[in-house]
Amino acid sequence: DADVTQTPRNRITKTGKRIMLECSQTKGHDRMYWYRQDPGLGLRLIYYSFDVKDINKGEISDGYSVSRQAQAKFSLSLESAIPNQTALYFCATSDEDSSSTDTQYFGPGTRLTVL
Amino acid sequence: LAKTTQPISMDSYEGQEVNITCSHNNIATNDYITWYQQFPSQGPRFIIQGYKTKVTNEVASLFIPADRKSSTLSLPRVSLSDTAVYYCLVGLGYSSASKIIFGSGTRLSIRP
Repeated sequence: DADVTQTPRNRITKTGKRIMLECSQTKGHDRMYWYRQDPGLGLRLIYYSFDVKDINKGEISDGYSVSRQAQAKFSLSLESAIPNQTALYFCATSDEDSSSTDTQYFGPGTRLTVL
Repeated sequence: LAKTTQPISMDSYEGQEVNITCSHNNIATNDYITWYQQFPSQGPRFIIQGYKTKVTNEVASLFIPADRKSSTLSLPRVSLSDTAVYYCLVGLGYSSASKIIFGSGTRLSIRP
């Protein structure tokens, strides 16, 4: 979805380096999410944020941190990257809807390789 | 959140109707059922969502029986471009703590 952008799209880094992945959205949604996907597997939730002042850990938050700089921006950081963090990372947004489950809109993904 | 179970993979041919069933025995009263489609190296894309009976849009139909313990995604007359992974999710109808969980999905392969 072009309304959700991620930078960089590809990144190769070395073990121990600090990495930041950025996500921006123009959909005006309050809720933002970070997922990782490993080959052949589904998506696993890392962190999510329901508004600028709200940050919540997901299923696999260890080794990651996030920052919600504004409604439109949600960054994911790897403080000290390790090889098993090599994965495809997706950012998503959703708008709270009292009548149904949140529909999420995903960015194009960032392919991260940690050597 | 209710756990979902769906087939790991399915194969079909162009022009056929494909039905993918998802089991969600522990679905709660307020839960909706949502299906996403994912192409390789792309983020999942919303396909359809429903609560009960039948929902149809320009892409697919979703059939939900009265007990809501399962649902079936129906793709009419599939083409090669429908080859993708399909995820079934069951979540809270409304909540400040909704956390959507993607399982491994169903890998659908369409052949000429």
